[in-house]
Amino acid sequence: DQQVKQNSPSLSVQEGRISILNCDYTNSMFDYFLWYKKYPAEGPTFLISISSIKDKNEDGRFTVFLNKSAKHLSLHIVPSQPGDSAVYFCAASSQGGSEKLVFGKGTKLTVNP
Amino acid sequence: GAGVSQSPRYKVAKRGQDVALRCDPISGHVSLFWYQQALGQGPEFLTYFQNEAQLDKSGLPSDRFFAERPEGSVSTLKIQRTQQEDSAVYLCASSSRLAGYQETQYFGPGTRLLVL
Repeated sequence: DQQVKQNSPSLSVQEGRISILNCDYTNSMFDYFLWYKKYPAEGPTFLISISSIKDKNEDGRFTVFLNKSAKHLSLHIVPSQPGDSAVYFCAASSQGGSEKLVFGKGTKLTVNP
Repeated sequence: GAGVSQSPRYKVAKRGQDVALRCDPISGHVSLFWYQQALGQGPEFLTYFQNEAQLDKSGLPSDRFFAERPEGSVSTLKIQRTQQEDSAVYLCASSSRLAGYQETQYFGPGTRLLVL
């Protein structure tokens, strides 16, 4: 039973355009959400996070939107660059207990020059 | 500063062999996590330490998996009598907060384990 779902295994966009990566979750106890980027043979690299008390967080070209009623979040990358090509993981955690992250399966983004 | 380091980066083991995977967290980070990532999947939680205390080991798949962090810094994940289904990338992460949540976890490069 997957609590965090990334339904698109892959996404291809043109350089300079917007990339939108989506993530859905089922556990209403999740209150902190993160996006990680992963290159082959490397560990996940933290990109951006959002707390459930917010609906938007921005950091440079990266913006994360959270819709709690829909249990949906998205990562927008504008403008997309070829160096953004990687696998993007959505992760979530909940208050209390351990701080473990629950990950989606990832979306492979390809940005074409 | 130095990030999370893991060794070895690659390990090939024969079925039934014991293996030990090492993680050096970011200096001063209190919390340490182990995750297992199978091919084509996202990382899955194995266990969590706060300093030397193992507070959550609910993700360890069997009693063949054992983790320790005796002095609250370096951690070792040990897998006894390895099986082919143990083949995966083992990721270590650390974070700085003593308690609470909403703290970013920083990951190491992982150890890729292949059991033949």
